[in-house]
Amino acid sequence: QVQLVQSGAELKEPGASVKVSCKTSNYNFINYGVTWVRQAPGQGLEWVGWANPKNGDRNYAQSLQGRVTVTADTSTSTAYMELWSLRSDDTAVYYCVRDIDWVVDHWGQGTLVTVSS
Amino acid sequence: QTVVTQEPSLTVSPGGTVTLTCASSTGAVTSGYYPNWFQQKPGQTPRSLIYRTSNKHSWTPARFSGSLLGGKAALTLSGVQPEDEAEYYCLLYYDGLWFFGGGTKLTVL
Repeated sequence: QVQLVQSGAELKEPGASVKVSCKTSNYNFINYGVTWVRQAPGQGLEWVGWANPKNGDRNYAQSLQGRVTVTADTSTSTAYMELWSLRSDDTAVYYCVRDIDWVVDHWGQGTLVTVSS
Repeated sequence: QTVVTQEPSLTVSPGGTVTLTCASSTGAVTSGYYPNWFQQKPGQTPRSLIYRTSNKHSWTPARFSGSLLGGKAALTLSGVQPEDEAEYYCLLYYDGLWFFGGGTKLTVL
């Protein structure tokens, strides 16, 4: 079955950066995009960004533009989301999600990123 | 900035029918917004239910259906079960970006 397995929880200080990985399996990684979504404690879902492993295209939420990068390593079928200049309001569970042609289907288990001094 | 609006909360009786809607500040929602719907229960990862307005995933129960209704995307639950109590989110695509709605908390009572 399709799997997206994310890296473990992170605790970061304000101003630092974090890189979350999303290891995929049991599907052709190159043929699908990877979307990143986050959810602050007790809040709703927020779209973070998207990467196309085949051609390297990327898009980001305007609210995070300039602080976030999403990448895809086709050699290891792994996607990454890096966020820097972390603030307390970046504390959230970050999810990677598979998508293709506007179809969003399989979700990773989520990675809790806590920003605190 | 596009704002996507959902009902904050709805209540339905077991066995009943309820429709959740998803509106966009950019205007009427069309199939070109490729609406997706998700269910999230407390402490769990979201689960995809509907894609491209009305298509179900292989795991989506038959009682869930998606449509366009009065300029909005809509998710209808028919024959609601107690286990359908959850938060529901819509996701719309516009101008190369995706936007989530704020979520609807569905109570089955």
